[in-house]
Amino acid sequence: DSGVTQTPKHLITATGQRVTLRCSPRSGDLSVYWYQQSLDQGLQFLIQYYNGEERAKGNILERFSAQQFPDLHSELNLSSLELGDSALYFCASSVDAARPEQFFGPGTRLTVL
Amino acid sequence: DQQVKQNSPSLSVQEGRISILNCDYTNSMFDYFLWYKKYPAEGPTFLISISSIKDKNEDGRFTVFLNKSAKHLSLHIVPSQPGDSAVYFCAASEGGGSEKLVFGKGTKLTVNP
Repeated sequence: DSGVTQTPKHLITATGQRVTLRCSPRSGDLSVYWYQQSLDQGLQFLIQYYNGEERAKGNILERFSAQQFPDLHSELNLSSLELGDSALYFCASSVDAARPEQFFGPGTRLTVL
Repeated sequence: DQQVKQNSPSLSVQEGRISILNCDYTNSMFDYFLWYKKYPAEGPTFLISISSIKDKNEDGRFTVFLNKSAKHLSLHIVPSQPGDSAVYFCAASEGGGSEKLVFGKGTKLTVNP
């Protein structure tokens, strides 16, 4: 158990809908990262937050957004969902920039029908 | 363009023998490398890492070797155990405030009893 929690574990929705994925980092970790793993793809970095502020952005679609709250939990919002958004979404956390090791949650499997 | 490549999608070894997983990278700015292990329906688990100032790092049965001139790293598992059967991901970070991880597509290791 990495100490990172993600909810829900599974999500099934329809095209055009909007969903919110939630992540709670390990106790004491200030950075939260979101990654997407599609079929045939490795994990792709989406976005990072550090202590409530956006720190880095990857290939995140404009339909996707995220935020980190004062209690350090983070939410990833996916809107106008398309079939191609079906994937595993992982959240990871780390203490700070001094050590790059990130600890991953169990993931949320999103299925868009 | 894949910056981190794991050219072997799968590897099968006998219990007790050595498993060698390989990873190549193209980005000269990467200065920290990590290996993660992933079981089905779970998030990636951090295994071992190495800084670019080192060429070897050991942790129990796991050793990571880094050859900067060849832009190549490998993970050695000795002796291999059936519980090591999983997908192994190589990841890299540029550091210096850029903390996102760039992942390879993974190698599925099967250790046969």
